[in-house]
Amino acid sequence: QTVVTQEPSFSVSPGGTVTLTCGLSSDSVSTRHYPSWYQQTPGQAPRPLIYSTNSRSSGVPDRFSGSILWNKAVLSITGAQAEDECEYYCVLYMGSGVWVFGGGTKVTVL
Amino acid sequence: QVQLVQSGAEVKRPGASVMVSCKASGHTFPNSDITWVRQATGQGLEWMGWMNPKSGNTGYAQKFQGRLSMTRSTYTATAYMELTSLTSEDAGIYYCATIVGGRNDFDHWGQGTPVTVSS
Repeated sequence: QTVVTQEPSFSVSPGGTVTLTCGLSSDSVSTRHYPSWYQQTPGQAPRPLIYSTNSRSSGVPDRFSGSILWNKAVLSITGAQAEDECEYYCVLYMGSGVWVFGGGTKVTVL
Repeated sequence: QVQLVQSGAEVKRPGASVMVSCKASGHTFPNSDITWVRQATGQGLEWMGWMNPKSGNTGYAQKFQGRLSMTRSTYTATAYMELTSLTSEDAGIYYCATIVGGRNDFDHWGQGTPVTVSS
């Protein structure tokens, strides 16, 4: 069973930087997993942020960036703002038409 | 502007089935694969499966094999997701989304359909 790991929670100060990771329990994350990231506020559908590791979706501020570091996909928020406080999910494509979501990271800005 | 509009909230008894629809507009329906994602109450997002509206081909997460079915009507540009043998663990919000070919991400999302399972 493939498990995609994310930190359960993170705190960041306004204006600060936070780096969220998305890993695999039994493998390294690479571009072949097409890492993508989604932002979700309570009661709303997920909003696409990053696709194909490091490409920003339409309308996403440039304080959000994606990369692969330490064998994990990474979402960085540089210059965090109050409205960035919500849940963040990564999803990895495992091939053969199978995707797996991470458990999500709740980001608090305080 | 691509838009996915899902059917309304459902309340089902344990053991029953639920069918959720997802009507697409603003793009050529058969040309984007559709995925379904659910969020159990108070939990994270969970990928359920995908469907190619042009061919009808599907792929389901192993967890749902045998009780999940995805179909479509190309005439009405609507995708359907049916889950059978419902238990309380199936309660939550069900989302449809389009899959971007070659990028393998989910770019447009429906508003979500709440499903309650209660006796």
